[in-house]
Amino acid sequence: DAEITQSPRHKITETGRQVTLACHQTWNHNNMFWYRQDLGHGLRLIHYSYGVHDTNKGEVSDGYSVSRSNTEDLPLTLESAASSQTSVYFCASTYPSRHHNEQFFGPGTRLTVL
Amino acid sequence: DQQVKQNSPSLSVQEGRISILNCDYTNSMFDYFLWYKKYPAEGPTFLISISSIKDKNEDGRFTVFLNKSAKHLSLHIVPSQPGDSAVYFCAASAEGGGATNKLIFGTGTLLAVQP
Repeated sequence: DAEITQSPRHKITETGRQVTLACHQTWNHNNMFWYRQDLGHGLRLIHYSYGVHDTNKGEVSDGYSVSRSNTEDLPLTLESAASSQTSVYFCASTYPSRHHNEQFFGPGTRLTVL
Repeated sequence: DQQVKQNSPSLSVQEGRISILNCDYTNSMFDYFLWYKKYPAEGPTFLISISSIKDKNEDGRFTVFLNKSAKHLSLHIVPSQPGDSAVYFCAASAEGGGATNKLIFGTGTLLAVQP
């Protein structure tokens, strides 16, 4: 079955370190998104991509970067991790459609920055 | 500024009763609305959606109502079951259902259905 996976599921790192969170989907979706979930803020968009080599900044993009070298993967990189980036991160994907905006989410990565 | 608001952080309901989750929005350009359900340690899963050309959409025990003039939507769950206990996120899109598919999420409401 097609799916979307994230790795690692849990990560503890130190302030200043570079961290990369992986997202892989097998639906061949063009559109992929990264969100962070924090109490009191819901899900906030970090970066998104509409296809290979396309990346766009979302609402809370500072300190994060993404790259899209193929359809299946959109890794999220924290260039220099900060304690404020402790959060749960979700990747999502969708096939562009004029009639449906449903996004399919991965299981999440819980990141702790000490 | 929060464009999609869920003003009730939590809601407790007895099993078998109706659960009503509310969502307000400020952007009049939003034309598609979705509800997602999230269990602990899992990703959100799509529940039900509604286009701005409708005022009601029903799927089994779940019904979403849209009041465009009030910029308000609500999710009704009847009858509520303990397995419905989860965080519910309201989301909105202003892209006409087109290729961009960007969603703006609310802060979520934790629903607890008591047996």
